[in-house]
Amino acid sequence: QVQLVESGGGVVQPGRSLRLSCAASGFTFGTYAMHWVRQAPDKGLEWVTLISYDGSNKYFADSVKGRFTISRDNSKNTLYLQMNSLRAEDTAVYYCARERRGGESFDYWGQGTLVTVSS
Amino acid sequence: SYELTQPLSVSVALGQTARITCGRNNIGSQNVHWYQQKPGQAPVLVIYRDSNRPSGIPERFSGSNSGNTATLTISRAQVGDEADYYCQMWDSSTVVFGGGTKLTVL
Repeated sequence: QVQLVESGGGVVQPGRSLRLSCAASGFTFGTYAMHWVRQAPDKGLEWVTLISYDGSNKYFADSVKGRFTISRDNSKNTLYLQMNSLRAEDTAVYYCARERRGGESFDYWGQGTLVTVSS
Repeated sequence: SYELTQPLSVSVALGQTARITCGRNNIGSQNVHWYQQKPGQAPVLVIYRDSNRPSGIPERFSGSNSGNTATLTISRAQVGDEADYYCQMWDSSTVVFGGGTKLTVL
């Protein structure tokens, strides 16, 4: 069965960096676009970034552009989110999500990993 | 602010029909998707491309999209349907979510 497992969250000081990982299994990872979506405490969903199946195309929300990068290693079935210059407003649960075949929506989500930016 | 407008909350009597709306100018020309999220859990896709149900989603969930409003309809509402619901669409190579609607089943 399809599984997405995020890791790497934790408490980090403002201005520091953190890298999240998402380990995928149960499907051919290298043929799907992947996304990161976050949710601040008691807030709604906010899309963060996407990467195409082969890593050739990447898009970012304005709120993280220039600070976050997305990458993938299809040989390891793993998605990454490198977060630099972290701010308090980046505090959220970060979910990785698979883009459904045919595009546009997300058919599988991980359980999320909490990132807390605080001094 | 959210570019997709959802009511903060919707209440429905047990066994009745709930309708959750998602508004944006000319949203009917776009594909809209809906997610259900229960407390402490990841979102679950319940409707994709306006009106299609993924496998495993009950037929009680349906969707429509026309003009300036997309609608998620939940028939014969059950206590287990209590959750936050989010609409979502694409906009110029980025993804947009609505602000979310809390559904309460009375």
